[in-house]
Amino acid sequence: AQSVTQLGSHVSVSEGALVLLRCNYSSSVPPYLFWYVQYPNQGLQLLLKYTTGATLVKGINGFEAEFKKSETSFHLTKPSAHMSDAAEYFCALGGAGNMLTFGGGTRLMVKP
Amino acid sequence: GAVVSQHPSRVICKSGTSVKIECRSLDFQATTMFWYRQFPKQSLMLMATSNEGSKATYEQGVEKDKFLINHASLTLSTLTVTSAHPEDSSFYICSARDDRAWDETQYFGPGTRLLVL
Repeated sequence: AQSVTQLGSHVSVSEGALVLLRCNYSSSVPPYLFWYVQYPNQGLQLLLKYTTGATLVKGINGFEAEFKKSETSFHLTKPSAHMSDAAEYFCALGGAGNMLTFGGGTRLMVKP
Repeated sequence: GAVVSQHPSRVICKSGTSVKIECRSLDFQATTMFWYRQFPKQSLMLMATSNEGSKATYEQGVEKDKFLINHASLTLSTLTVTSAHPEDSSFYICSARDDRAWDETQYFGPGTRLLVL
């Protein structure tokens, strides 16, 4: 069975501080992993994805994530938070053939 | 590239009426599209998988006769909420998979806010 756990439904950081959003997964097949961002009243925008190859994946807006098989994790990071990063972030898991399994989401708040 | 549009962006309707939401892949073909429902401050709930030329696959608990899905072309899927009631009010989001891709990436539309009075 596929599952995704995002630790922390809310994360608050100061502008300029490191952003770390956690995602752990469970999969019986080699995983495809995705991070999406959702701004209020909008759809989801793909930030980055891991399928095969390099385990450190760089995405848009300065975000990156590292796939760690031994830890079954795919945490999202950004060195310096910007006010415009405030949004809802979803980790998603694929690889089982069709659907994506989504985590519960993490709301990132950025304080000035 | 990989743009998905949804129309309308928001709709208000009276209880008992039907509402159609369109989902289009603008620059790629999508044999498979997905329909999600999202409640406030919650994650996405998959309603159904839409496959071009065949019947949609609905998730458990989703009423097929209430949420009609048609995927008549490789770039268009529609969701019709029939006999809408206030409890159907929600944010509906579609996504599409690019037929050329192998990695299951889904590209999302901007969503449709439905309010049933």
